[in-house]
Amino acid sequence: DAKTTQPPSMDCAEGRAANLPCNHSTISGNEYVYWYRQIHSQGPQYIIHGLKNNETNEMASLIITEDRKSSTLILPHATLRDTAVYYCIRRLGDKIIFGKGTRLHILP
Amino acid sequence: EAQVTQNPRYLITVTGKKLTVTCSQNMNHEYMSWYRQDPGLGLRQIYYSMNVEVTDKGDVPEGYKVSRKEKRNFPLILESPSPNQTSLYFCASSGYRRNTGELFFGEGSRLTVL
Repeated sequence: DAKTTQPPSMDCAEGRAANLPCNHSTISGNEYVYWYRQIHSQGPQYIIHGLKNNETNEMASLIITEDRKSSTLILPHATLRDTAVYYCIRRLGDKIIFGKGTRLHILP
Repeated sequence: EAQVTQNPRYLITVTGKKLTVTCSQNMNHEYMSWYRQDPGLGLRQIYYSMNVEVTDKGDVPEGYKVSRKEKRNFPLILESPSPNQTSLYFCASSGYRRNTGELFFGEGSRLTVL
């Protein structure tokens, strides 16, 4: 099973850190975890990805648990423009499967 | 500018009238893929291609065909569209390094089949 599990929706106050969880308990050793987001009906946008170590870029941080069964995407200072659906996916070879994602609402 | 271009962006058609949605990328990517997005169902993969002349079924391939004659193009063909193929379609591409490589998405094609 190449699926991931995410809460369907979350709220976060503007200016606070948004922490989006993802469960991927059946992930195999060489599968990466990717995060994308989709604003309205635009094409999904890449955010970050990782294998074992925590990762950070200009958009976000990715924390992966030591057993790799779950991860958390952190948007350090959420703004209204971060309102979107966030997808956590596993790249299982060439079959890339998206779940339903988490709809993040940023509250002013 | 690196991009994935889909055409048409919007289309209304009738049942049974063959149509093609084109997808082109200018990044010399090996991997290309088609997704459809329906309310409450997220993004579902239709077909993908690892390189020229290599295509494989995704989760929902029924009613669709694809071809990969050139590296930059990956058209989606609906031979006999039906109303249940009304959806928002996305094409994506990435460089092919196994298990790595971010996906670049097109802006989407909204198809309505009457």
